[in-house]
Amino acid sequence: ETGVTQSPTHLIKTRGQQVTLRCSSQSGHNTVSWYQQALGQGPQFIFQYYREEENGRGNFPPRFSGLQFPNYSSELNVNALELDDSALYLCASSRLRQGVSTGELFFGEGSRLTVL
Amino acid sequence: AQKITQTQPGMFVQEKEAVTLDCTYDTSDQSYGLFWYKQPSSGEMIFLIYQGSYDEQNATEGRYSLNFQKARKSANLVISASQLGDSAMYFCAMRELGRGNNDMRFGAGTRLTVKP
Repeated sequence: ETGVTQSPTHLIKTRGQQVTLRCSSQSGHNTVSWYQQALGQGPQFIFQYYREEENGRGNFPPRFSGLQFPNYSSELNVNALELDDSALYLCASSRLRQGVSTGELFFGEGSRLTVL
Repeated sequence: AQKITQTQPGMFVQEKEAVTLDCTYDTSDQSYGLFWYKQPSSGEMIFLIYQGSYDEQNATEGRYSLNFQKARKSANLVISASQLGDSAMYFCAMRELGRGNNDMRFGAGTRLTVKP
């Protein structure tokens, strides 16, 4: 149990709709990253939020956007959904270990999005 | 650009035996971290082991060890005394350290099945 929680766990949308996914990071973590994992593939980095600002972005279009709140929880928003957006969306938070970041990520169980 | 290669889509191992999961990586950076994660069918990514590029000794965590060969850019995971609960997807990942971001790149994964 990583202490990272995501909601909803499953959802179904249709093409063109918008979706918001939510993530609560582990206590003491101030950085949240979002990943997209298509079926049979490894996770792909979408973006990272640190101190409420985007701090790094992968190769995803602008219709993928996010927010981080003062309590370090985060949202991922996807507009104009496409069929290829069907995937498991993973949220991950990180911590410092002995004052040094090892880069270890703590993941939630993900939100499985199906776009019809 | 970073790249992680896992050449074994699927592996089988007999219970109580050891198994090696292969991973090679490509980066021009000198400072990086290598990670292995386990993903059971529930979807959550579970951190297993970490190796820093400057670490001289191979990392070990219980039944997991990482066979780090820097010159060959390989970071194979060795699981000793396999258990039925080890059946899952295993992902190798890498992140360039010191940037303060979480742009972790994952391989395509290896599905491990432990036979009774």
